[in-house]
Amino acid sequence: GDSVTQMEGPVTLSEEAFLTINCTYTATGYPSLFWYVQYPGEGLQLLLKATKADDKGSNKGFEATYRKETTSFHLEKGSVQVSDSAVYFCALSVNSNAGKSTFGDGTTLTVKP
Amino acid sequence: GAVVSQHPSWVICKSGTSVKIECRSLDFQATTMFWYRQFPKQSLMLMATSNEGSKATYEQGVEKDKFLINHASLTLSTLTVTSAHPEDSSFYICSARDLAVNQPQHFGDGTRLSIL
Repeated sequence: GDSVTQMEGPVTLSEEAFLTINCTYTATGYPSLFWYVQYPGEGLQLLLKATKADDKGSNKGFEATYRKETTSFHLEKGSVQVSDSAVYFCALSVNSNAGKSTFGDGTTLTVKP
Repeated sequence: GAVVSQHPSWVICKSGTSVKIECRSLDFQATTMFWYRQFPKQSLMLMATSNEGSKATYEQGVEKDKFLINHASLTLSTLTVTSAHPEDSSFYICSARDLAVNQPQHFGDGTRLSIL
C-alpha cells in the first residue's frame, strides 16, 4: 500500500536558520504530493503541492521538489522565523484510491528567537 | 481560496451523550469528504470517507454504529459520535475535496471533543 515516511522530530532551530524536513514515499500509482502545516489547536492548512515529477511547489518561502527517482519530496526553507513553529505533514494522494490521502507522522518544528 | 468550516470547534459533554459535528465546504462542491481523528502529538487517522448521496466507507477498526456519517449534500457532511464515552475524547478533523477538478484536500479547523 501507499506510505509516507517523514523525518522524525522534534526539530529545533534558531531564527534565520536553514530548514530541511525529509519526506520519502511509496505509492502504487502516480501520486500527487503535498505538505501541510498545522498550528496548535487548528486543522491542517495546505502549504504547497506538486503533481508530477520535477515539479517544485513553493509558498511562503518554503519549497519542495517532486523527485520521482528518489521518491522524495523534502521540504526546505532558507531562513525560518519564529512564526514557522508548527507541525508539518507530508502527504500523498492517488486519485485511483478514492481520493484518499496518506499522511506522514508529522514533524514538529520549533524556531527560537 | 477554498474554505471548509467545521463546527463546533470545542465541545464538552457528559458520558452517554451523542455529539454531532458539522463540516461545510463554503465555496466549492465537495464530492468527497473525509473524517479524521488525531490523538495528541500524532498524525491523522482516517476514520471514513463519505461521498455525497451514498453511504460512508469506514476504515478498518472504526465502528460505523458509533460514528455515524451523513453526507446529504455537496456542501455538508456530519459526524455523530453516538453515546460518547471518555475514550472518544479526541481532536476530530474533516476535510473536503472536489474530485472532479482534482483539488487537494481542504481541512476544517477541527473539533476538540472532551467527554467527562
